[in-house]
Amino acid sequence: DAGVTQSPTHLIKTRGQQVTLRCSPKSGHDTVSWYQQALGQGPQFIFQYYEEEERQRGNFPDRFSGHQFPNYSSELNVNALLLGDSALYLCASSFGLGGATDTQYFGPGTRLTVL
Amino acid sequence: QKEVEQNSGPLSVPEGAIASLNCTYSDRGSQSFFWYRQYSGKSPELIMSIYSNGDKEDGRFTAQLNKASQYVSLLIRDSQPSDSATYLCAGGYNNNDMRFGAGTRLTVKP
Repeated sequence: DAGVTQSPTHLIKTRGQQVTLRCSPKSGHDTVSWYQQALGQGPQFIFQYYEEEERQRGNFPDRFSGHQFPNYSSELNVNALLLGDSALYLCASSFGLGGATDTQYFGPGTRLTVL
Repeated sequence: QKEVEQNSGPLSVPEGAIASLNCTYSDRGSQSFFWYRQYSGKSPELIMSIYSNGDKEDGRFTAQLNKASQYVSLLIRDSQPSDSATYLCAGGYNNNDMRFGAGTRLTVKP
């Protein structure tokens, strides 16, 4: 049973650049959520995709955008990178939408460093 | 405001002892709660989920939920050095909107 996968593992960018992170959900899952985890903090919800649409969004600027493909995989795009965007970016997958009981499973994360 | 609060610790217990981790939440709209374990440099790993008031046991782990008092706890019995990690409490809301606490760092000393 394939778990959640993310690529790349690590990424180093400079301020002002753009970055794309990728996620493939766990087999059988159709919902993908993205989180940002700064050092020493808990994950912060960025947004969630279901049926190729953004369904929920946390308190993040429009520089953060995403996409979900028909095979349920997802991308997170961040434009105009800031030093403060340096963090571990986590993708979590779950099945379905509309209930608060759907357990989310995390991928290994992408460590983004902005210089 | 959907907030989940945890004592950041560090919490230190001797091997074999019971570790008690606590979490409070402010939004009564929370319908489900989750405990994740996160080793340094790794992603969160689900330990337990709990949706109803009372206790839920899974091996050495027991989750407790009290919706009236708005707190969730996790007990780890017979703590092992391999349990040393950061434990994240999360509250789930409608449509899978999940909010995390900052985590409690647990150290189990041999």
